[in-house]
Order: sequence, then C-alpha cells, then structure tokens
Amino acid sequence: EVQLVESGGDLVQPGGSLRLSCATSGFTFSSYNMNWVRQAPGKGLEWVSYISSSSTTIFYADSVKGRFIISRDNAKNSLYLQMNTLKDEDTAVYYCARSSHSGSYLIDCWGQGTLVTVSS
Amino acid sequence: EIVLTQSPATLSSSPGERATLSCRASQSISNYLAWYQQKPGQSPRLLIYDASKRATGIPARFSGSGSGTDFTLTISSLDPEDFAVYYCQQRSSWPTFGGGTKVEIK
Repeated sequence: EVQLVESGGDLVQPGGSLRLSCATSGFTFSSYNMNWVRQAPGKGLEWVSYISSSSTTIFYADSVKGRFIISRDNAKNSLYLQMNTLKDEDTAVYYCARSSHSGSYLIDCWGQGTLVTVSS
Repeated sequence: EIVLTQSPATLSSSPGERATLSCRASQSISNYLAWYQQKPGQSPRLLIYDASKRATGIPARFSGSGSGTDFTLTISSLDPEDFAVYYCQQRSSWPTFGGGTKVEIK
C-alpha cells in the first residue's frame, strides 16, 4: 500500500522557520517526482513546490520563492520542505504529493497533511 | 499564471440526479486538465486527468470533457458518497487549481 506521512507541522511565529518531512513507503520513491501542495483553512489548493526524482529539477510558487527549499533523500524514501521567513499567509495544511507517471504536475497520491500555523 | 474559474460555486442536487460542473481557463491549456474530489477532513483524490481519462479505480459515472479553455466534469447519477468539493487543475504551465465547486445535498 502506498503511504505518504507528513510531519513537522506546528505553531510558529511570523519570521520563524519550520521543516516539514514526508516519509513514504509502498512504492519506489526514487522513481517518482514529488510535490508539496498547501491548503489554507477553508480555502482552495495551492501548488507550493516540485522536485524531480533525481533532484535535478526544482520549481517553486512565486509566493514562496526565496523562502522555502524543497529536498529529498532517496535513500531514506523521504521528502522535505524547509520553510523560512514564515508569514501569516503561509498558514495551511501542507500535503506531500506524488506525481503520476502520466504527468509531472499530476498528483496520483496524497498524504494526510500536516498543519502549519503562523501566528504571534 | 493561468487562472481557472469553476462554476457554480455550490451545486445543490439530490442522489440519483445528474451533476455538471464547469471549469474555464484564462487561456488555452489544450487537454492538460485534471479533476480532484475532496471530502471534509480528507486529502484530495484524482478523478480525471487529461480532460477525459478516468484515474485508476474511479467509477464510470464520472466523466470529463473539453479542450482549450472550457471543461466539464459530469457525474451521471449522484451517489451519496459523491457529495464533496471538486477542484479542477491545469498542468499546461506552472500548475494552478480552480476555486472549487461544492456539491451538496439538496
């Protein structure tokens, strides 16, 4: 069974930092491109970042560019999101998401999400 | 950035009825359009990709159509488990989602 399990969400003050992790199992992690997608409370979905299977291609949404860093460790089957200089508007559930082999920006499997709250 | 506009925002229907959801793109996205379903407290689930292809395990009552800028998700006969929020998403360029359509029980 494919599993994506996020962790690291917490309450943090504006300007602070947080590191999210996503532990995966049930599939060959190193063969898949991966993503972070977020959802503010009661709102819609926003693609945050993308990383290719070998980490050679990385993209960010303009809203987080220069503040967030996506990375992965294929030996540990894990995906990460380093979040710096956090703002109130970064408050959201962050989903770890696997890209389908049918298309890089097509998600075929989602984690349950981890809540990040930015507030003083 | 390509903007996706979904309509209606809320659709009130009864089980067994046909539901038609719309998604319009601000510029042509060919057929690079997907639909996801999200139930309260759950993660989204992929239903349709490339405008009309059903994802693995998705019932045949879900169908998608369209190309260019106008797309439709049709649920032929609403099952009680289909009441949820539906999002469209484009991958022609940096991916974006529509604002969602909530399908609620009338």
